Amino acid sequence: EDQVTQSPEALRLQEGESSSLNCSYTVSGLRGLFWYRQDPGKGPEFLFTLYSAGEEKEKERLKATLTKKESFLHITAPKPDDSATYLCAVNSGGYQKVTFGIGTKLQVIP
Amino acid sequence: GAGVSQSPRYKVAKRGQDVALRCDPISGHVSLFWYQQALGQGPEFLTYFQNEAQLDKSGLPSDRFFAERPEGSVSTLKIQRTQQEDSAVYLCASRDRANTEAFFGQGTRLTVV
Repeated sequence: EDQVTQSPEALRLQEGESSSLNCSYTVSGLRGLFWYRQDPGKGPEFLFTLYSAGEEKEKERLKATLTKKESFLHITAPKPDDSATYLCAVNSGGYQKVTFGIGTKLQVIP
Repeated sequence: GAGVSQSPRYKVAKRGQDVALRCDPISGHVSLFWYQQALGQGPEFLTYFQNEAQLDKSGLPSDRFFAERPEGSVSTLKIQRTQQEDSAVYLCASRDRANTEAFFGQGTRLTVV
């Protein structure tokens, strides 16, 4: 069974304090790893897709990387607006079911 | 439409009532997923449609849960005889094709009292 484990479950940063969120996965036949951002009371908002080990994607203060066993979401000099829950998901299997982790709740303090 | 639309946004049901939750996916998207998200948890898979065919319903928690997508576009998730443990946010997502990202609606928050 596909598994996605995210750590830490919660992270509190000072504004400007860079850090990384981890997503470890065990899947049979990875067809894509996704990062989403979810704000309270809203649906997940798509951020990145990664397909193969060594791949990197960047968007503003966020950079996502992928290895054969895990992915990292690096946040550089975060701002309070970056406060949200960050979800990792993997796409696998015959019809490519999407399986989510529990998420990392990030709080950036001014 | 521009995005995935779900209705209602909020639903309060008395225990034992039947409810129907609607999802309008992005136009032309073949794949449609339903997820259940409890407070503080990640989305949990419920069911998957490819066009009008329900290819996987392994995540539906009981036979009180039923989903349909009769014309391969709008989908409805129905919950019969609601129980308190059904209280959660129900998310719908659609995807253009395999290997690509899914886009989510805002969700329906169901509270069973």
